[in-house]
Amino acid sequence: EAGVAQSPRYKIIEKRQSVAFWCNPISGHATLYWYQQILGQGPKLLIQFQNNGVVDDSQLPKDRFSAERLKGVDSTLKIQPAKLEDSAVYLCASSLDGSGVFSYEQYFGPGTRLTVT
Amino acid sequence: AQSVSQHNHHVILSEAASLELGCNYSYGGTVNLFWYVQYPGQHLQLLLKYFSGDPLVKGIKGFEAEFIKSKFSFNLRKPSVQWSDTAEYFCAVLSNSGYALNFGKGTSLLVTP
Repeated sequence: EAGVAQSPRYKIIEKRQSVAFWCNPISGHATLYWYQQILGQGPKLLIQFQNNGVVDDSQLPKDRFSAERLKGVDSTLKIQPAKLEDSAVYLCASSLDGSGVFSYEQYFGPGTRLTVT
Repeated sequence: AQSVSQHNHHVILSEAASLELGCNYSYGGTVNLFWYVQYPGQHLQLLLKYFSGDPLVKGIKGFEAEFIKSKFSFNLRKPSVQWSDTAEYFCAVLSNSGYALNFGKGTSLLVTP
């Protein structure tokens, strides 16, 4: 079974530039999550999709971050404009169906390491 | 919101030593708890999970965790660590609003030969 794919793996940009990350979840997984992991901390949820609808985006800084999941499969996360404090690893995860306790198990991708200079 | 806290941020052990990593959760109701591991250069992987039932949960690679409701704890244990257990360990709780995970800050474990 193929895992969660993410690209790029690394990205270096200057502040005020824009950047986009892509995620392809495990086939058949209805729920997709984007997490931000700052160095020395645990991952923090940015946004959760159920199919192509947003379930939770309460911690997404909407003035600069946006995300979409067209057609309920792959997803992109964008930052525009980037700030120094956005330097982090951006993790994508997917689960079969987040609506049932036993189908919530999340599978994580390798992440995209973003450095903002 | 449900949250977890991990007390040990950096742990160094010799091979064959016993391991216990602490995790405390904040919510007094029904909780679903997890331990994830991130080996160097690899993605997060699930070690074990607790939903209900037997409070002693066994996971992969010889790890286990005990859910103690009276102490709000879900500590991770392994009787004898190996060099290959060197990794970052994260405790997490399933949020009750959407099934996302709330992670602790993680514990970095270094096992020396």
